[in-house]
Amino acid sequence: DVKVTQSSRYLVKRTGEKVFLECVQDMDHENMFWYRQDPGLGLRLIYFSYDVKMKEKGDIPEGYSVSREKKERFSLILESASTNQTSMYLCASSTRRYEQYFGPGTRLTVT
Amino acid sequence: GIQVEQSPPDLILQEGANSTLRCNFSDSVNNLQWFHQNPWGQLINLFYIPSGTKQNGRLSATTVATERYSLLYISSSQTTDSGVYFCAVETGNQFYFGTGTSLTVIP
Repeated sequence: DVKVTQSSRYLVKRTGEKVFLECVQDMDHENMFWYRQDPGLGLRLIYFSYDVKMKEKGDIPEGYSVSREKKERFSLILESASTNQTSMYLCASSTRRYEQYFGPGTRLTVT
Repeated sequence: GIQVEQSPPDLILQEGANSTLRCNFSDSVNNLQWFHQNPWGQLINLFYIPSGTKQNGRLSATTVATERYSLLYISSSQTTDSGVYFCAVETGNQFYFGTGTSLTVIP
């Protein structure tokens, strides 16, 4: 079975802090994704990576950056956290045909 | 971008009943998936179904790509089926999720 893990289930940070969310997959998938999920807005793509060190912006990249130094690991970075970044963050990995598998999610609260 | 609409937005069923969830998309897509989000937030793969019909136990799905819709059938529903069901599409490295159908199955 595909396994996607995320570093934290719950995280509380202060405004202005730098925040790292980590995601690891164990299926040698080329593609990895970061989404955020908000009530009434559904899931929205932040960034997508199709290979090591390669990335593409999704629908809402502002305020975020990503890092993929190894194939199995994809990090989402909030350079200076703000309260409007309080959300559920979901990581996924996929096969080349874009069959996506999700991690358990990280509920981030920025106070 | 592509619009992905799901209906109905909310559904309440008695245990044992059957249901059909619909996903309409506004343009051609390369891939389509159905997911179930459980009460803890985990998105669970149900079907990868860019076209055709698939079945897995009490669940089945059909995608008619030429008419831009997909259907998810749940038969003999159980309380563990409760949660939110999402369809998601991909086209040209763009990924879009529907707004979901919230299903509650009551005993």
